[in-house]
Amino acid sequence: GQSLEQPSEVTAVEGAIVQINCTYQTSGFYGLSWYQQHDGGAPTFLSYNALDGLEETGRFSSFLSRSDSYGYLLLQELQMKDSASYFCAAFRGYQKVTFGTGTKLQVIP
Amino acid sequence: DADVTQTPRNRITKTGKRIMLECSQTKGHDRMYWYRQDPGLGLRLIYYSFDVKDINKGEISDGYSVSRQAQAKFSLSLESAIPNQTALYFCATSDSIGTYGYTFGSGTRLTVV
Repeated sequence: GQSLEQPSEVTAVEGAIVQINCTYQTSGFYGLSWYQQHDGGAPTFLSYNALDGLEETGRFSSFLSRSDSYGYLLLQELQMKDSASYFCAAFRGYQKVTFGTGTKLQVIP
Repeated sequence: DADVTQTPRNRITKTGKRIMLECSQTKGHDRMYWYRQDPGLGLRLIYYSFDVKDINKGEISDGYSVSRQAQAKFSLSLESAIPNQTALYFCATSDSIGTYGYTFGSGTRLTVV
Protein backbone atom coordinates (compact mmCIF):
# COMPACT_ATOMS: atom_id res chain seq x y z
CA GLY A 1 0.00 0.00 0.00
CA GLN A 2 0.86 3.65 0.07
CA SER A 3 1.99 5.28 3.29
CA LEU A 4 3.75 8.40 4.51
CA GLU A 5 5.14 8.86 7.99
CA GLN A 6 5.62 12.17 9.75
CA PRO A 7 6.11 13.06 13.40
CA SER A 8 2.79 13.95 14.98
CA GLU A 9 4.04 16.98 16.89
CA VAL A 10 7.09 19.25 16.93
CA THR A 11 7.83 22.19 19.20
CA ALA A 12 10.38 24.88 18.37
CA VAL A 13 11.40 28.30 19.61
CA GLU A 14 10.62 31.52 17.80
CA GLY A 15 13.56 32.56 15.63
CA ALA A 16 14.98 29.05 15.46
CA ILE A 17 15.10 26.50 12.64
CA VAL A 18 12.92 23.38 12.55
CA GLN A 19 12.94 20.38 10.25
CA ILE A 20 9.84 18.24 9.65
CA ASN A 21 10.63 14.84 8.18
CA CYS A 22 8.56 12.65 5.93
CA THR A 23 9.31 9.10 4.85
CA TYR A 24 7.21 7.42 2.24
CA GLN A 25 6.47 3.99 0.85
CA THR A 26 4.68 4.29 -2.42
CA SER A 27 4.76 2.80 -5.86
CA GLY A 28 5.02 4.93 -8.95
CA PHE A 29 6.40 7.89 -7.01
CA TYR A 30 6.70 11.14 -8.95
CA GLY A 31 7.35 13.76 -6.29
CA LEU A 32 6.66 15.14 -2.82
CA SER A 33 4.55 18.16 -1.91
CA TRP A 34 4.16 20.07 1.33
CA TYR A 35 1.08 21.87 2.64
CA GLN A 36 0.47 24.14 5.61
CA GLN A 37 -2.83 24.16 7.48
CA HIS A 38 -3.71 26.51 10.32
CA ASP A 39 -6.34 25.39 12.80
CA GLY A 40 -9.76 25.67 11.21
CA GLY A 41 -8.28 26.66 7.88
CA ALA A 42 -7.69 25.19 4.47
CA PRO A 43 -4.46 23.48 3.49
CA THR A 44 -2.25 25.77 1.43
CA PHE A 45 0.41 24.57 -0.97
CA LEU A 46 4.02 25.28 0.02
CA SER A 47 6.32 23.35 -2.31
CA TYR A 48 6.83 20.44 -4.66
CA ASN A 49 10.02 18.40 -5.20
CA ALA A 50 10.27 16.16 -8.22
CA LEU A 51 14.05 15.89 -8.20
CA ASP A 52 16.55 15.14 -5.45
CA GLY A 53 17.88 18.13 -3.64
CA LEU A 54 16.83 21.27 -1.88
CA GLU A 55 14.23 23.75 -3.11
CA GLU A 56 14.17 27.11 -1.35
CA THR A 57 11.28 29.53 -1.16
CA GLY A 58 11.94 32.34 1.27
CA ARG A 59 12.09 31.05 4.85
CA PHE A 60 10.85 27.62 3.76
CA SER A 61 12.91 24.96 2.03
CA SER A 62 12.01 21.42 1.02
CA PHE A 63 14.33 18.52 0.37
CA LEU A 64 13.89 15.20 -1.36
CA SER A 65 16.01 12.07 -1.53
CA ARG A 66 14.36 9.55 -3.84
CA SER A 67 16.92 6.85 -3.06
CA ASP A 68 16.07 7.10 0.66
CA SER A 69 12.31 7.64 0.13
CA TYR A 70 12.67 10.62 2.38
CA GLY A 71 12.00 14.30 2.39
CA TYR A 72 11.83 17.17 4.80
CA LEU A 73 10.49 20.67 5.18
CA LEU A 74 12.84 23.19 6.73
CA LEU A 75 11.47 26.34 8.32
CA GLN A 76 13.94 29.06 9.21
CA GLU A 77 13.59 32.16 11.37
CA LEU A 78 10.48 30.72 12.92
CA GLN A 79 7.62 33.07 13.61
CA MET A 80 4.61 32.57 15.85
CA LYS A 81 2.39 32.53 12.76
CA ASP A 82 4.20 29.40 11.58
CA SER A 83 2.35 27.43 14.25
CA ALA A 84 0.23 25.12 12.12
CA SER A 85 0.01 21.58 10.84
CA TYR A 86 2.25 20.57 7.96
CA PHE A 87 1.41 17.73 5.60
CA CYS A 88 3.62 15.95 3.14
CA ALA A 89 1.91 14.44 0.12
CA ALA A 90 3.27 11.90 -2.33
CA PHE A 91 2.35 12.47 -5.93
CA ARG A 92 2.08 9.20 -7.80
CA GLY A 93 0.94 10.48 -11.15
CA TYR A 94 -2.43 10.72 -12.81
CA GLN A 95 -4.05 12.35 -9.84
CA LYS A 96 -2.91 9.80 -7.28
CA VAL A 97 -1.90 11.92 -4.32
CA THR A 98 -1.53 10.41 -0.86
CA PHE A 99 -1.33 12.75 2.12
CA GLY A 100 0.55 12.10 5.33
CA THR A 101 -1.24 12.44 8.65
CA GLY A 102 0.37 15.79 9.39
CA THR A 103 2.82 17.29 11.87
CA LYS A 104 1.52 19.86 14.32
CA LEU A 105 4.18 22.52 14.80
CA GLN A 106 4.02 24.67 17.91
CA VAL A 107 6.25 27.74 17.96
CA ILE A 108 6.93 29.02 21.46
CA PRO A 109 8.37 32.40 22.49
CA ASP B 1 -13.91 36.41 -3.45
CA ALA B 2 -12.14 33.18 -2.64
CA ASP B 3 -10.75 31.11 -5.51
CA VAL B 4 -12.54 28.01 -4.23
CA THR B 5 -15.81 28.52 -2.35
CA GLN B 6 -17.55 25.86 -0.34
CA THR B 7 -21.05 26.02 1.06
CA PRO B 8 -22.19 25.56 3.72
CA ARG B 9 -19.29 26.24 6.11
CA ASN B 10 -20.94 24.28 8.89
CA ARG B 11 -23.82 21.85 8.88
CA ILE B 12 -25.49 19.65 11.42
CA THR B 13 -27.77 16.98 10.03
CA LYS B 14 -29.59 13.93 11.28
CA THR B 15 -28.80 10.32 10.51
CA GLY B 16 -30.53 9.18 7.34
CA LYS B 17 -30.91 12.63 5.83
CA ARG B 18 -29.62 13.49 2.37
CA ILE B 19 -27.20 16.37 2.27
CA MET B 20 -25.32 18.17 -0.48
CA LEU B 21 -22.08 20.08 -0.12
CA GLU B 22 -21.33 22.53 -2.89
CA CYS B 23 -18.09 23.79 -4.36
CA SER B 24 -17.43 26.45 -6.95
CA GLN B 25 -14.15 27.81 -8.26
CA THR B 26 -12.89 30.80 -10.19
CA LYS B 27 -9.42 29.37 -10.88
CA GLY B 28 -10.40 28.12 -14.31
CA HIS B 29 -9.02 24.70 -13.39
CA ASP B 30 -10.36 21.60 -15.05
CA ARG B 31 -9.63 19.26 -12.19
CA MET B 32 -11.65 19.19 -9.00
CA TYR B 33 -11.55 16.97 -5.92
CA TRP B 34 -13.41 16.20 -2.74
CA TYR B 35 -11.39 15.27 0.33
CA ARG B 36 -12.37 14.29 3.82
CA GLN B 37 -10.23 15.14 6.87
CA ASP B 38 -10.45 13.33 10.16
CA PRO B 39 -8.16 13.90 13.16
CA GLY B 40 -5.05 11.76 12.87
CA LEU B 41 -5.97 10.45 9.43
CA GLY B 42 -4.89 13.28 7.18
CA LEU B 43 -6.75 14.02 3.97
CA ARG B 44 -8.44 11.18 2.12
CA LEU B 45 -9.76 11.41 -1.42
CA ILE B 46 -13.48 10.77 -1.92
CA TYR B 47 -14.02 11.60 -5.62
CA TYR B 48 -12.26 13.52 -8.34
CA SER B 49 -13.16 14.90 -11.74
CA PHE B 50 -10.90 15.87 -14.63
CA ASP B 51 -13.63 17.62 -16.59
CA VAL B 52 -17.40 17.88 -16.78
CA LYS B 53 -17.79 14.43 -18.32
CA ASP B 54 -15.27 12.69 -16.10
CA ILE B 55 -15.96 11.38 -12.58
CA ASN B 56 -13.70 9.00 -10.68
CA LYS B 57 -13.90 7.30 -7.31
CA GLY B 58 -11.23 7.95 -4.74
CA GLU B 59 -10.16 5.76 -1.86
CA ILE B 60 -13.27 6.27 0.30
CA SER B 61 -16.20 6.79 -2.08
CA ASP B 62 -18.71 4.45 -0.41
CA GLY B 63 -21.71 6.39 0.89
CA TYR B 64 -20.96 9.42 -1.28
CA SER B 65 -21.85 10.61 -4.76
CA VAL B 66 -20.82 13.64 -6.79
CA SER B 67 -22.02 15.78 -9.63
CA ARG B 68 -19.95 18.01 -11.89
CA GLN B 69 -22.51 20.51 -13.06
CA ALA B 70 -20.06 22.75 -14.90
CA GLN B 71 -16.34 23.29 -15.13
CA ALA B 72 -16.56 25.52 -12.09
CA LYS B 73 -18.97 23.50 -9.95
CA PHE B 74 -18.53 20.17 -8.21
CA SER B 75 -20.96 19.00 -5.54
CA LEU B 76 -20.73 16.15 -3.05
CA SER B 77 -23.80 14.32 -1.77
CA LEU B 78 -24.34 12.04 1.17
CA GLU B 79 -27.42 10.07 0.19
CA SER B 80 -28.19 8.84 3.70
CA ALA B 81 -25.90 10.43 6.25
CA ILE B 82 -24.46 8.36 9.07
CA PRO B 83 -22.56 9.51 12.18
CA ASN B 84 -19.17 8.24 10.98
CA GLN B 85 -19.42 10.68 8.10
CA THR B 86 -18.92 13.46 10.62
CA ALA B 87 -15.76 15.16 9.37
CA LEU B 88 -14.25 18.22 7.74
CA TYR B 89 -14.77 18.16 3.99
CA PHE B 90 -12.57 20.02 1.53
CA CYS B 91 -13.01 20.74 -2.13
CA ALA B 92 -9.83 21.34 -4.11
CA THR B 93 -8.82 22.22 -7.65
CA SER B 94 -5.69 21.82 -9.72
CA ASP B 95 -4.44 22.49 -13.21
CA SER B 96 -2.36 20.15 -15.40
CA ILE B 97 -1.30 17.21 -13.26
CA GLY B 98 -1.35 18.98 -9.95
CA THR B 99 2.34 19.13 -9.36
CA TYR B 100 2.12 22.82 -8.74
CA GLY B 101 -0.26 22.27 -5.90
CA TYR B 102 -3.89 22.00 -5.12
CA THR B 103 -6.01 25.01 -4.16
CA PHE B 104 -8.36 24.11 -1.34
CA GLY B 105 -11.62 25.66 -0.28
CA SER B 106 -12.21 26.73 3.30
CA GLY B 107 -13.94 23.48 4.16
CA THR B 108 -17.33 22.33 5.36
CA ARG B 109 -17.58 21.01 8.89
CA LEU B 110 -20.30 18.37 8.83
CA THR B 111 -21.78 16.80 11.93
CA VAL B 112 -24.19 13.89 11.64
CA VAL B 113 -26.21 13.26 14.80
